[in-house]
Amino acid sequence: AQSVTQLGSHVSVSEGALVLLRCNYSSSVPPYLFWYVQYPNQGLQLLLKYTSAATLVKGINGFEAEFKKSETSFHLTKPSAHMSDAAEYFCAVRGGYNQGGKLIFGQGTELSVKP
Amino acid sequence: DGGITQSPKYLFRKEGQNVTLSCEQNLNHDAMYWYRQDPGQGLRLIYYSQIVNDFQKGDIAEGYSVSREKKESFPLTVTSAQKNPTAFYLCASSIFGGRQEQYFGPGTRLTVT
Repeated sequence: AQSVTQLGSHVSVSEGALVLLRCNYSSSVPPYLFWYVQYPNQGLQLLLKYTSAATLVKGINGFEAEFKKSETSFHLTKPSAHMSDAAEYFCAVRGGYNQGGKLIFGQGTELSVKP
Repeated sequence: DGGITQSPKYLFRKEGQNVTLSCEQNLNHDAMYWYRQDPGQGLRLIYYSQIVNDFQKGDIAEGYSVSREKKESFPLTVTSAQKNPTAFYLCASSIFGGRQEQYFGPGTRLTVT
């Protein structure tokens, strides 16, 4: 069965600093992995996805993530944080075919950006 | 513009009443999903549907019901049997199968008192 663990429910960085949000997954099949961002009282917006092509995936708003099979990780990074990056971030793995293609989400990491 | 709409944005109900949340998509997606979001718990799947007139229970289906009479629409009813219905509800859709991501609506915040 698939599962996702996000390390750290809250992360705080200064504006201009590196953003690193951690995600580890468990999957019995080659995983499809996603990062979503959620602003308060809004739906989720896709940042990027890994679907077994390049291991370094670039997304929107300057974010990228690297798939590391040996570490079962898919950490999200951004070189320089901006105030507008403050939001909640969710890592997700797609369930197997017999699970209707559902997404299995981590608990989320709330990112705060200090001026 | 293609997308997913959910209405209303905020919904208030008294305990013991059933309430139906609307979800419509014009993306021509086959699959649709309902998630419930509670603080600190991520998103949990309530129901999903891969084709019209067919749907399956997710991880927390008790106290909820759905229908899928049209490809574009997947309404969720929160029944009085749901013990703790106050939450943020998110609808999503995707192309069926494969590596496709899910697209999410803006959500409905339901408060039951």
